[in-house]
Amino acid sequence: DADVTQTPRNRITKTGKRIMLECSQTKGHDRMYWYRQDPGLGLRLIYYSFDVKDINKGEISDGYSVSRQAQAKFSLSLESAIPNQTALYFCATSNGRGSPPYTDTQYFGPGTRLTVL
Amino acid sequence: DAKTTQPNSMESNEEEPVHLPCNHSTISGTDYIHWYRQLPSQGPEYVIHGLTSNVNNRMASLAIAEDRKSSTLILHRATLRDAAVYYCIVNAGNNRKLIWGLGTSLAVNP
Repeated sequence: DADVTQTPRNRITKTGKRIMLECSQTKGHDRMYWYRQDPGLGLRLIYYSFDVKDINKGEISDGYSVSRQAQAKFSLSLESAIPNQTALYFCATSNGRGSPPYTDTQYFGPGTRLTVL
Repeated sequence: DAKTTQPNSMESNEEEPVHLPCNHSTISGTDYIHWYRQLPSQGPEYVIHGLTSNVNNRMASLAIAEDRKSSTLILHRATLRDAAVYYCIVNAGNNRKLIWGLGTSLAVNP
């Protein structure tokens, strides 16, 4: 079984709809991340969470919100989807324990391909 | 935040070594250098990381310059499965976020 799972894997929706993407992990990691990937722009960080009570904005948080329901679950919501949110979305986890300097190796899910019409 | 510079693309032949370069001239003393790769239609996967010394694992080797301003990922014998985008990343300061560039797209010829 995969350590980091994302649901759904593909989603097509219409402008204005609210969408939730879910991420679950069995790695026991404290830290979870949401990224989007667009052609020619690479991976950009949307939100990250270093533990259940810690939520932080990344580079491009406008139009998105997140919920860390448990250590193992981190959901990304698009409150009112728009076409330029069409992208590939990745969830990742890392182990935040230990002493600095930190390595924070990240482990990624398979991605969700979202299309907003 | 430390940024990295990589060539957009590289090409190699199967079973030959591949040296993927990366410049990170603004790296700070406690930043690790990470390499990830992304195979087609998959999420990025960890390859290797290092701080000061050269590192080896079953996937690759990482050679870090003495001044830490550059590094090279070495694939000792490229296979077709190694065709991917390779990302060189350094930790982004005390908040430990990773900043991703566009990476190097590696093509492997049979």
